[in-house]
Amino acid sequence: KQEVTQIPAALSVPEGENLVLNCSFTDSAIYNLQWFRQDPGKGLTSLLLIQSSQREQTSGRLNASLDKSSGRSTLYIAASQPGDSATYLCAVKGPGANSKLTFGKGITLSVRP
Amino acid sequence: EAQVTQNPRYLITVTGKKLTVTCSQNMNHEYMSWYRQDPGLGLRQIYYSMNVEVTDKGDVPEGYKVSRKEKRNFPLILESPSPNQTSLYFCASSEYPRHPQETQYFGPGTRLLVL
Repeated sequence: KQEVTQIPAALSVPEGENLVLNCSFTDSAIYNLQWFRQDPGKGLTSLLLIQSSQREQTSGRLNASLDKSSGRSTLYIAASQPGDSATYLCAVKGPGANSKLTFGKGITLSVRP
Repeated sequence: EAQVTQNPRYLITVTGKKLTVTCSQNMNHEYMSWYRQDPGLGLRQIYYSMNVEVTDKGDVPEGYKVSRKEKRNFPLILESPSPNQTSLYFCASSEYPRHPQETQYFGPGTRLLVL
């Protein structure tokens, strides 16, 4: 059974800092890995999707990497801003028929002005 | 605008009173799914549907029903809600769920409190 872990559960950094959010998963048989952002009381916004055959994806100040063999992914946020404060969720899609996403519990990021 | 909508967004009810949470998508997606999100447990899949009239259980289906009579709609039914179904519920859809590049689009969530 796939398990996705995100540690730490919460992180507080000063504005302008570059930071790395970590995600690990137990089963390397995945279709893709996604990073989502969730603002308090809101839905999920997809930030980056990395296919199992890819190593990284970039969007603006965000860069996500994937090491499938070791079961790890990182989300790098450059020059963090207070507007980046949110919960970041990592999810993997397995090869099963139900196409479900298995989510980590998320990292709640607070960027202090 | 491409979107997944859910109604209601907030709901307070009492134990045993049947309720339905609607989900609709305007992207002609074949695949739809329901998740619940609980503190300390993350998001877990309740039910999913690969197409019209095709539904199946996810990880936590107990106490829930779904139907898929039309492609765009995938309602979640709680026939006798209990307090342990208090949660934040998300509906999601995608066009090609098994494609490695395919993402799922999520609705805004429905916060349910069962007293």
